[in-house]
Amino acid sequence: EAQLVASGGGLVQPGGSLRLSCAASGFSFSTSWMNWVRQAPGRGLEWISCITNSGSTIYYADSVKGRFTISRDNAKNSLYLQMNSLRAEDTAVYYCVRDWYWSFDLWGRGTRVTVSS
Amino acid sequence: DIVMTQTPLSSPVTLGQPASISCRSSQSLVHRDGNTYLSWLHQRPGQPPRLLIYKISNRFSGVPDRISGSGAGTDFTLRISRVEAEDVGVYYCMQATQFPRTFGQGTKVEIK
Repeated sequence: EAQLVASGGGLVQPGGSLRLSCAASGFSFSTSWMNWVRQAPGRGLEWISCITNSGSTIYYADSVKGRFTISRDNAKNSLYLQMNSLRAEDTAVYYCVRDWYWSFDLWGRGTRVTVSS
Repeated sequence: DIVMTQTPLSSPVTLGQPASISCRSSQSLVHRDGNTYLSWLHQRPGQPPRLLIYKISNRFSGVPDRISGSGAGTDFTLRISRVEAEDVGVYYCMQATQFPRTFGQGTKVEIK
């Protein structure tokens, strides 16, 4: 069964850093584009980043550009999100999501990030 | 950025009755490859979203045929022919024609 398990969330102070990980299993990770999508408490969905299967092309939302870095290790079937200069507005559940023909067909359970002093 | 606008934002429905949600994009979602990358997702409370419809009208695996999508260009609709209890939650439209990918605000469906 295809599965995504995100981890690495937690409580961090404003200006701090956090690295999220997503472990993929049950499908061909190395041929899949991957995304991070977040959801602030009580709010809607916000796409924040996408990485192509080889990692050669990366896209970011303006809200995180210059602060967040997406990466992947196909040998480890893993996706990452390095988050720096965190702000209160980055507080959200972060989902690791598979891109399938330009739709989001597989979602992990998400990892919660809280930015607060 | 392409802005996705959903209406209504809240929809109280009666079990067994139909429901529909509209999604309008600020510009055409037709990709240069000829496809229209508009999808619909459903999120139940406390759960991650799940894909219902992709490329306007294609039902994803396991989605019942009482759920359907239609539309073209900038105007799209999700229809549920007969609402069941499992349909409660928030529905989002999403465009992937252009980066950044963008979502509608979400429409909350609840039982009257």
